[in-house]
Amino acid sequence: QVQLVESGGGSVKPGGSLRLSCVASGFSFSDYYMTWIRQVPGKGLEWVSYISNTGSTMFYADSVKGRFTVSKDNAKKSLYLQMDSLRADDTAVYFCAVNLRYSYGYFDYWGQGALVTVSS
Amino acid sequence: EIVLTQSPDTLSLSPGETATLSCRASQSVSDSLAWYQQNPGQAPRLLIYDASKRAAGIPARFSGRGSGTDFILTISSLEPEDFAVYFCQHRGNWPPLTFGGGTKVDIK
Repeated sequence: QVQLVESGGGSVKPGGSLRLSCVASGFSFSDYYMTWIRQVPGKGLEWVSYISNTGSTMFYADSVKGRFTVSKDNAKKSLYLQMDSLRADDTAVYFCAVNLRYSYGYFDYWGQGALVTVSS
Repeated sequence: EIVLTQSPDTLSLSPGETATLSCRASQSVSDSLAWYQQNPGQAPRLLIYDASKRAAGIPARFSGRGSGTDFILTISSLEPEDFAVYFCQHRGNWPPLTFGGGTKVDIK
């Protein structure tokens, strides 16, 4: 069955870096674009980044542009989010998500989430 | 950028009652709108896409309607597992993707 498993979350000081990973299984990873979406605990959802199926096209939310980098290793069926210059307002649960069955821009499979805490 | 406003913030109902949740867009989004359900500690689950189409495996008590700027998610005859937070989402010509702020359906 389809699975997305995130890892790499943790606590970091402001200005620090962290790299999240999302390992996929159960579908042809190289055929699908992927996205990262985050959620401050108890709050709403915020789209963070998009990467095309080949990894050649990336988009970012204005709030993370220039600080976060998304990448995709199709051979390893893995999605990454390199987060640099982290700020307190980056504290959130980060989800990777994919759309396998529906119209472009909806997401039917999500990982369990990785908590990132940025605090001094 | 399109803003999605959900109302009410919280809806307090009893099992068996009907929930009516609203999502209003700051400008027309046609029918490019989805609804997700999220339980505590879990990832969101896609319920409705393209405003009114149920995702695979979603019970018929969940229905969506609307187009343009006003959208409704109706949950008929609430089951215990339906008490959760619900988000609307517009896909549009992203980036960016936009989400509403959420409506919590809790037990009265």
